[in-house]
Amino acid sequence: GQQLNQSPQSMFIQEGEDVSMNCTSSSIFNTWLWYKQDPGEGPVLLIALYKAGELTSNGRLTAQFGITRKDSFLNISASIPSDVGIYFCAGQDNQGGKLIFGQGTELSVKP
Amino acid sequence: EPEVTQTPSHQVTQMGQEVILRCVPISNHLYFYWYRQILGQKVEFLVSFYNNEISEKSEIFDDQFSVERPDGSNFTLKIRSTKLEDSAMYFCASRDYGQIYGYTFGSGTRLTVV
Repeated sequence: GQQLNQSPQSMFIQEGEDVSMNCTSSSIFNTWLWYKQDPGEGPVLLIALYKAGELTSNGRLTAQFGITRKDSFLNISASIPSDVGIYFCAGQDNQGGKLIFGQGTELSVKP
Repeated sequence: EPEVTQTPSHQVTQMGQEVILRCVPISNHLYFYWYRQILGQKVEFLVSFYNNEISEKSEIFDDQFSVERPDGSNFTLKIRSTKLEDSAMYFCASRDYGQIYGYTFGSGTRLTVV
């Protein structure tokens, strides 16, 4: 079946540092999404990408959809303590279709 | 901002018992979903629902599971005879017709089967 591989599994960084995480897939997705999950909460959409090669920013977040539609990265610049959480990539084949999630990257930020 | 509301936030049930997890999607949304997340693992798709019928379901969503929209506001997930391995966070999600990508998740119900 379709699988997304996300790396790294966890990151421990100092406040103010930049962060980068990646996601790769064996299959092509039409849409790629990045979600953040705080403890005890549901995933919250951060960025959505639907054009191959697209680079999109949302505040301190930047994400790119790979040309092959099989990979994506998410960068967080100048991290702050509230960036702590688990970041998931997710692929979607069609509008409204199921999301296939990666395993998540757990981010810890030291003040 | 509109929210997807799930109740209860935590449910403990005996193995073999039936359980119903409740969701109130965002009011003008037409598409509804259930996902689950076993502790420490990734979020997994269970089922999608539109126009009063299942659009798609995963291998996890076997005969023990069912979904229903009993009225104009609620969307429920029923597990007929719970197993220990059903213990997980269950997330409801919804989207409206014009939403191109992704959807809005609720905060989840933590189901513990003992």
